[in-house]
Amino acid sequence: DVKVTQSSRYLVKRTGEKVFLECVQDMDHENMFWYRQDPGLGLRLIYFSYDVKMKEKGDIPEGYSVSREKKERFSLILESASTNQTSMYLCASSLVKNTEAFFGQGTRLTVV
Amino acid sequence: AQTVTQSQPEMSVQEAETVTLSCTYDTSENNYYLFWYKQPPSRQMILVIRQEAYKQQNATENRFSVNFQKAAKSFSLKISDSQLGDTAMYFCAFIPFNAGGTSYGKLTFGQGTILTVHP
Repeated sequence: DVKVTQSSRYLVKRTGEKVFLECVQDMDHENMFWYRQDPGLGLRLIYFSYDVKMKEKGDIPEGYSVSREKKERFSLILESASTNQTSMYLCASSLVKNTEAFFGQGTRLTVV
Repeated sequence: AQTVTQSQPEMSVQEAETVTLSCTYDTSENNYYLFWYKQPPSRQMILVIRQEAYKQQNATENRFSVNFQKAAKSFSLKISDSQLGDTAMYFCAFIPFNAGGTSYGKLTFGQGTILTVHP
């Protein structure tokens, strides 16, 4: 089975902290995605990556950065966490030749 | 830019009945895939069904089927014989792909529809 693992299920951070959300997939997928999920807004794409060291901005990249040093790992970074970044964060991966995306279990981040 | 719109924030249905969830999308792409994903209370997103835009035949997976109207840019999900385990949030999604069959760009989701199946 394809497995996409997010490092934390729940996370509480303070305003101004630098926050790292880690995502690892074990199926050699080229594409990886980070979304945030908010009630009434669905899943909004923050960043995606189609190869190692490659990244593209999604719809809401402000306040976030990403890193993909290895194919299996895609990290989302909140440089200086703010309360409006309190949300559910979902990581996903897919093959470029097979469009089904597989998701992690989500990280519920609370910034206080 | 591509957008996906789900106009029904919440739906409910009685067990064993049929329900249809609506989705419309907007794109200038000619080749793309459309999806319905399910997110139960466990939060784990699961693919329900997939439709290739170049295929005229509507996709079917057991009790789940779609009504794909390419000209109208409409992609609805029909759930037959609803079961309590179908209670979840359902997301419609879209991704373009090129002539070589390779997906590229954004996997874009709608706002979601919360479906509750009542016993």
